[in-house]
Amino acid sequence: LAKTTQPISMDSYEGQEVNITCSHNNIATNDYITWYQQFPSQGPRFIIQGYKTKVTNEVASLFIPADRKSSTLSLPRVSLSDTAVYYCLVVANSGYALNFGKGTSLLVTP
Amino acid sequence: EAGVAQSPRYKIIEKRQSVAFWCNPISGHATLYWYQQILGQGPKLLIQFQNNGVVDDSQLPKDRFSAERLKGVDSTLKIQPAKLEDSAVYLCASSPRRLLAGVTDTQYFGPGTRLTVL
Repeated sequence: LAKTTQPISMDSYEGQEVNITCSHNNIATNDYITWYQQFPSQGPRFIIQGYKTKVTNEVASLFIPADRKSSTLSLPRVSLSDTAVYYCLVVANSGYALNFGKGTSLLVTP
Repeated sequence: EAGVAQSPRYKIIEKRQSVAFWCNPISGHATLYWYQQILGQGPKLLIQFQNNGVVDDSQLPKDRFSAERLKGVDSTLKIQPAKLEDSAVYLCASSPRRLLAGVTDTQYFGPGTRLTVL
């Protein structure tokens, strides 16, 4: 399983764009990059997944450079309700096991 | 669509006692996972089922933990006997597809069971 490294914590003000970068230097050719969000007292929730270049959905964008050794989750115009822990995971294409790290604790303040 | 159900939500026991957690995945989901999340850490996979067969239990402490998924639907995770370090949230997740090469699948998590071992 590829190991991921991401900042322990980040702070932001409401309305700003937040970019959380994750490094995964030993990602394998068929691995996907997946991000989950977790609020206190809840299980993680899928946000976005990508393989290369850019993926966008109604919640976030995911940018993956050509070498795929890192990825950036972009949250546009965050609100207080975006305060959560964000996990970057590398998922084998077989679907086996998710290797959660410690995640990035994002705090959004007014 | 109903989500993943878990019970109980909270449990307090003394060390050396036994405890069991129950999970009912989303209807029709083939794959079921149990995770342990210690405070301040990310979830750690304990065991993964596809239907009623075990796919991966390499991180399950088999001397005290056991899990089953009879009939390929709901599942129970048991700890016997519990230790202080087992205090954590136990998360159940499910995903719709069978595990196939080339297919990555979203996991849907339940709310978890918070276990406190005194």
